Amino acid sequence: DTEVTQTPKHLVMGMTNKKSLKCEQHMGHRAMYWYKQKAKKPPELMFVYSYEKLSINESVPSRFSPECPNSSLLNLHLHALQPEDSALYLCASSPRGGSGLNYGYTFGSGTRLTVV
Amino acid sequence: AQTVTQSQPEMSVQEAETVTLSCTYDTSESDYYLFWYKQPPSRQMILVIRQEAYKQQNATENRFSVNFQKAAKSFSLKISDSQLGDAAMYFCAYRSTQKVDSSYKLIFGSGTRLLVRP
Repeated sequence: DTEVTQTPKHLVMGMTNKKSLKCEQHMGHRAMYWYKQKAKKPPELMFVYSYEKLSINESVPSRFSPECPNSSLLNLHLHALQPEDSALYLCASSPRGGSGLNYGYTFGSGTRLTVV
Repeated sequence: AQTVTQSQPEMSVQEAETVTLSCTYDTSESDYYLFWYKQPPSRQMILVIRQEAYKQQNATENRFSVNFQKAAKSFSLKISDSQLGDAAMYFCAYRSTQKVDSSYKLIFGSGTRLLVRP
């Protein structure tokens, strides 16, 4: 399995809702990432998990709450979002050591989030 | 801090022709990795080609090749025999060999939209 699977593909939520995005990989990668991407812009890093521990939080508002229950699964819990949070949310993973041939990132196809 | 610059917001190429997308970067490191990613309307970021900075030989993957000029900090992508399926956003990206907070950060350029004319 060489894929990163993200669910759902599309999500519409109200500003008072609570929802979660899910990301799963079975490649044995020990680093997982959440990116936010606005239209026609590059992805912006939000969070990095390394060995199931949060290692980087790029000053993301607390209405976004990441969780890494195990080495294969990454969640992003959403609460009280704003319309400006509407974007494509991409998950990615990369191998542990990140050296030699194993330094690439594998991306999922993203969740298109619309906040109304 | 490292930066990646793609100066061409949009490029157009005739089907079967060759096109080159530009990318420059700024870093004080001597060892690093460079990538080109393709993002079609389906949204998935697909790795096109990658280059290790310590390798002088330019990477090639079928119709895709790079011109890596380390001294000039330039990493352009050449697409030969362009196909309609090559139409997408292309992002150049940089990754350090040094960990930041136990992880590796991928730094993206602003992207180039490639249009392929039939």
